[in-house]
Amino acid sequence: SQTIHQWPATLVQPVGSPLSLECTVEGTSNPNLYWYRQAAGRGLQLLFYSVGIGQISSEVPQNLSASRPQDRQFILSSKKLLLSDSGFYLCAWSVRGGETQYFGPGTRLLVL
Amino acid sequence: AQSVSQHNHHVILSEAASLELGCNYSYGGTVNLFWYVQYPGQHLQLLLKYFSGDPLVKGIKGFEAEFIKSKFSFNLRKPSVQWSDTAEYFCAVKNSGYSTLTFGKGTMLLVSP
Repeated sequence: SQTIHQWPATLVQPVGSPLSLECTVEGTSNPNLYWYRQAAGRGLQLLFYSVGIGQISSEVPQNLSASRPQDRQFILSSKKLLLSDSGFYLCAWSVRGGETQYFGPGTRLLVL
Repeated sequence: AQSVSQHNHHVILSEAASLELGCNYSYGGTVNLFWYVQYPGQHLQLLLKYFSGDPLVKGIKGFEAEFIKSKFSFNLRKPSVQWSDTAEYFCAVKNSGYSTLTFGKGTMLLVSP
């Protein structure tokens, strides 16, 4: 069966510091991968998605970037965190061409 | 661009009450519709989905949803809620041919015992 992992689970970082959140999927090949940010009362905002290695689509221009160095690895990064980057970050995967997305446990980021 | 509207941000019910959570989307055409649920401290998980066929779909834990194309709606229902249904519920829409989902802002359901 397929599983999706995210780490770290929780992160507290100072403003201006770099960020790297990792997401990996097991048990499937060539998945579509997604990064979302979830804010209270604002639902899930799609940040990036990827249909293959090195292929990244950005939905919302901002202080973050994403990379996909391997087929089942998706990384969310920032060079300098802002206070507004605080939130709950969710990674998801779907079968290539599939309709349903499956979500990871999330990373709670607090920028101070 | 697609947008998804969930009518209630917070709903409070007593156990055994009936539940209906509203969801409307803006852009027509062929769509796939989803309800996801996030129980306290748990992953976001799929509750049910509609792709085609019978517009009344049944999901896990006694939930169902009805797709009404003319109303651009996909409301979630349960005849009798339980305390364990306390969670946040998200409606999501995927336009055919696109890879991405558009989510509503979520409805927090609190069921009191």
